[in-house]
Amino acid sequence: GAVVSQHPSWVICKSGTSVKIECRSLDFQATTMFWYRQFPKQSLMLMATSNEGSKATYEQGVEKDKFLINHASLTLSTLTVTSAHPEDSSFYICSARGGLAGVDEQYFGPGTRLTVT
Amino acid sequence: LAKTTQPISMDSYEGQEVNITCSHNNIATNDYITWYQQFPSQGPRFIIQGYKTKVTNEVASLFIPADRKSSTLSLPRVSLSDTAVYYCLARGAGANNLFFGTGTRLTVIP
Repeated sequence: GAVVSQHPSWVICKSGTSVKIECRSLDFQATTMFWYRQFPKQSLMLMATSNEGSKATYEQGVEKDKFLINHASLTLSTLTVTSAHPEDSSFYICSARGGLAGVDEQYFGPGTRLTVT
Repeated sequence: LAKTTQPISMDSYEGQEVNITCSHNNIATNDYITWYQQFPSQGPRFIIQGYKTKVTNEVASLFIPADRKSSTLSLPRVSLSDTAVYYCLARGAGANNLFFGTGTRLTVIP
């Protein structure tokens, strides 16, 4: 139980285009999902907190107009990187809060490798 | 959220027990201590969580002294597949945000 998936697992796009990444909780409902970014050999950095049916809360320094987050259902959150540039190339990881009864924990997706050329 | 400090890296031979210590001097009364494991190009995986004393599951043990200012993750008889980065986090129950520190890069040597 408590499985989180991401799609795609990797994507290559050209500079200036937009890319959408999906995060799904497969066997539980997640009222809250989180998006992280991780550069090579660095730790995870929280980008935003996504709540179902409401606007996302962004961490300081993260451009909300560039990283659009939608959490339309209890099992799906999407991150759209708009007008991507090479510096946006990174490993994007989502997590979902919830899962097993009585366990308040975050479960992470496998990540999406974005390369902008 | 308490700041955590861990060694940047550790090496160990296969079959040995590995202990990774995390310092969290400013841990709050309602903070739990959670450890995650991350392999390259994968999302973190929950290993173990505890509040005080000792917690054991099928993969690890977590030791937390009475003052809770530190914790130690113990991995028994490591194998090559345990090579990964291990993160220690201290956060309040129900808190949304997880802030990852630098983690400890464990390398298991044959």
